[in-house]
Amino acid sequence: EIVLTQSPGTLSLSPGERATLSCRASQSFSSSYLAWFQQKPGQPPRLLMYGASNRASGTPDRFSGSGSGTDFTLTISRLEPEDFAVYYCQQYGTSPKTFGQGTKVEMK
Amino acid sequence: QMQLVQSGAEIKRPGASVKISCKASGYTFTSYDINWVRQAPGQGPEWMGWLNPNRGNSGSRQKFQGRVTMTRNTSITTAYLELSSLTSEDTAVYYCAVRGYSDSIYFDYWGQGTLVTVSS
Repeated sequence: EIVLTQSPGTLSLSPGERATLSCRASQSFSSSYLAWFQQKPGQPPRLLMYGASNRASGTPDRFSGSGSGTDFTLTISRLEPEDFAVYYCQQYGTSPKTFGQGTKVEMK
Repeated sequence: QMQLVQSGAEIKRPGASVKISCKASGYTFTSYDINWVRQAPGQGPEWMGWLNPNRGNSGSRQKFQGRVTMTRNTSITTAYLELSSLTSEDTAVYYCAVRGYSDSIYFDYWGQGTLVTVSS
């Protein structure tokens, strides 16, 4: 199975700052099958990005995704108060579909 | 609009089974696979398996094989996840989710989640 390792575990930033989240895979796979989710307490995960760099419907353009092979990145250009949450990457091209362990973006 | 509504919270004893329902509406139920994902307290999501509502076939993560059954009733557009031989490690929120393209828009919808607590 493809293991996804996210870093850092926690990112402490202030509103307006730039956030860079990393997702590294144990083996290479097509970027067409890399997704990013945002999750807030008590809610299901919400899809932000699919195919590594495509914004899902409703995702603000301050979110961008990039990467290929084994290294993927989610960037939030300027953090808004509603962006403080936990973020997960997921690969969905190979079974089992796996998630990373998450990066918490917390307010500094 | 597309919606998935799950059954309510469950408390089960170790060794018991639980069956969770996921009622779909707002789209053609048989057009998209339903995925089941669980999330233990304080942990990341864990994909459990998928169900094709059209053909009724399914596939699950190896760790759940022999313990998980995914079924559906197309007449009431409802999918089911049954997990047997429960242990405390199965305590989690269980989600159904559907993803795909509709009118060239990529979508991803999740149910509200069902909390399953396994405790003696």
